[in-house]
Amino acid sequence: GAVVSQHPSRVICKSGTSVKIECRSLDFQATTMFWYRQFPKQSLMLMATSNEGSKATYEQGVEKDKFLINHASLTLSTLTVTSAHPEDSSFYICSARAQAPGNTIYFGEGSWLTVV
Amino acid sequence: KQEVTQIPAALSVPEGENLVLNCSFTDSAIYNLQWFRQDPGKGLTSLLLIQSSQREQTSGRLNASLDKSSGRSTLYIAASQPGDSATYLCAVGKAAGNKLTFGGGTRVLVKP
Repeated sequence: GAVVSQHPSRVICKSGTSVKIECRSLDFQATTMFWYRQFPKQSLMLMATSNEGSKATYEQGVEKDKFLINHASLTLSTLTVTSAHPEDSSFYICSARAQAPGNTIYFGEGSWLTVV
Repeated sequence: KQEVTQIPAALSVPEGENLVLNCSFTDSAIYNLQWFRQDPGKGLTSLLLIQSSQREQTSGRLNASLDKSSGRSTLYIAASQPGDSATYLCAVGKAAGNKLTFGGGTRVLVKP
């Protein structure tokens, strides 16, 4: 079946630094990818919708200058958390929409970010 | 704005008992509804996908029903096992391949 890979699965960074998380569709092309954030014991909250070759669409309350999203190819989207702070520590999950059949959405395994 | 609610937030049952997880949504204009399983610290595993035109879907011990007009879905897990312990999330989609709106999840513990 279709696979979406996220890297890294876990990352620890110092406060004030930036960290990049990659989301790849391994065996299908994804014109659209979605980035979610999940705090402990809470549900997934959509951060932004990423379309290949265009600017991402951010949900209300998500800082676009802090969470930079790039979708440069049909198989890769990246989320960069800039100037990370401890409150950005969270579980980040991406999903990718396959072009065919049926526009099925597949989820990655998630990336744990800890900012110390 | 679509809001998805899951009740109860947590559930603990002895092994063998049937599980009933509820999901409600405020906007009945949905394209589909999906149930996921999430183990602690892990990603999502899709369990069942119900299109808006369907009333239920079944897979093994799992059965999910959908009542779009009343904005409700129920996930039934028959003869629960300790391995069923996880968080179960429901999510609704407004259009094909569009973003999903998730409920808060139900944390299930099946005690041996």
